[in-house]
Amino acid sequence: EVQLLEFGGGLVQPGGSQRISCTASGFIFSNYAMNWFRQAPGKGLEWVSAIAGGSDNTKYTYYADSVRGRFTISRDNSKNTLFLQMISLRDDDTAVYYCAKRGSFGSASYYSFDYWGQGSLVTVSS
Amino acid sequence: IQLTQSPSSLSASVGDRVTITCRASQGISSYLAWYQQKPGKALKLLIYGASTLQSGVASRFSGSGSGIDFTLTINSLQPEDFATYYCQQLNSYPITFGQGTRLEIK
Repeated sequence: EVQLLEFGGGLVQPGGSQRISCTASGFIFSNYAMNWFRQAPGKGLEWVSAIAGGSDNTKYTYYADSVRGRFTISRDNSKNTLFLQMISLRDDDTAVYYCAKRGSFGSASYYSFDYWGQGSLVTVSS
Repeated sequence: IQLTQSPSSLSASVGDRVTITCRASQGISSYLAWYQQKPGKALKLLIYGASTLQSGVASRFSGSGSGIDFTLTINSLQPEDFATYYCQQLNSYPITFGQGTRLEIK
């Protein structure tokens, strides 16, 4: 059974830093692209960042304009864990952060996210 | 790429058929997915490739469209279908979502 569990959310002051993680199980983690999304309270879904799967995936990372230069996505395939390091946090970064597994590269399902975590709330407030 | 989803909310009864539309600001071929969100639960993939039903999803869900205009149809609504639905485009980065459709019980 595929499981994605996010950790590391909490209260952080504006300008502060936070690292959230997502532990994966039930699939060969290294083979799959992984993404972070977020949802501000009462709002819709927003894509945050992506990292490729495969043997040299650290080369391929992507960011939303709203977080580029402040957030860094990374992964530790030996620990089946995805990370999102966030710095210079702002009030509008307050959201539930979700990790999601992308479908198999080379298949039609690549254009979808077939598994999601339940999310980790990051609150930026003084 | 902007996705305009409509309606933003919808009231329906068990057994009804409902349709949600999603319009892209430019052509996205069939690189569109639909998701269901319920409070406190992980998002659930319903449809990918605009019209392919995800394994394990009830056959009352169906998707259609390509290019700019897409639809999600739910036939014979069941009590567990009352939730919020989102379309998502994966044609290009940044990946974007429609604003969501909240489906409520009439």
